[in-house]
Amino acid sequence: RKEVEQDPGPFNVPEGATVAFNCTYSNSASQSFFWYRQDCRKEPKLLMSVYSSGNEDGRFTAQLNRASQYISLLIRDSKLSDSATYLCAVSRMDSSYKLIFGSGTRLLVRP
Amino acid sequence: NAGVTQTPKFQVLKTGQSMTLQCAQDMNHEYMSWYRQDPGMGLRLIHYSVGAGITDQGEVPNGYNVSRSTTEDFPLRLLSAAPSQTSVYFCASTTGTLTGELFFGEGSRLTVL
Repeated sequence: RKEVEQDPGPFNVPEGATVAFNCTYSNSASQSFFWYRQDCRKEPKLLMSVYSSGNEDGRFTAQLNRASQYISLLIRDSKLSDSATYLCAVSRMDSSYKLIFGSGTRLLVRP
Repeated sequence: NAGVTQTPKFQVLKTGQSMTLQCAQDMNHEYMSWYRQDPGMGLRLIHYSVGAGITDQGEVPNGYNVSRSTTEDFPLRLLSAAPSQTSVYFCASTTGTLTGELFFGEGSRLTVL
């Protein structure tokens, strides 16, 4: 079993839709959580960190559920420009220098 | 700002050849790392370094060597290329521990024939 798992998608949604992705992690010692965005044939870029209390950045909301060991990303009012692959990443308390990525969830927003 | 710079961007090798992927950052980051990205596999950590003179293995280190003689540079060496090493390679850096943003280079696309 992979340490960080994501549904590969693609999620195909119309503009204006709300879409949510989950990412599960298997190691309970995980301590830091992130969502990265990767456009086609480009490098990943940080979208947002995920805090225990949940956090919001404009149309994007990230949440952490430690009991069930997953993080989520909610995108409201989807834009065409949101089309990308969304990668979750996790680091562990016992090896904080190793950031482990999921394989990504592809989002396609159609007009 | 240059950020993280990787060279070359594209490379084709024959099986058994060796080569070095270069990575340099100008942000004075202590931490640097190399990932490979394959379809359906996501990003997998190859090697990382927490400072000059200090390196350690990631998830998939076999077939690769690294060194960190300066804060700025973190080259990745393929000792004897194999087709299984065909991939996109990303170098990344950040300050301190991974509680902040990891900055990636633009990637190096390697094909081994």
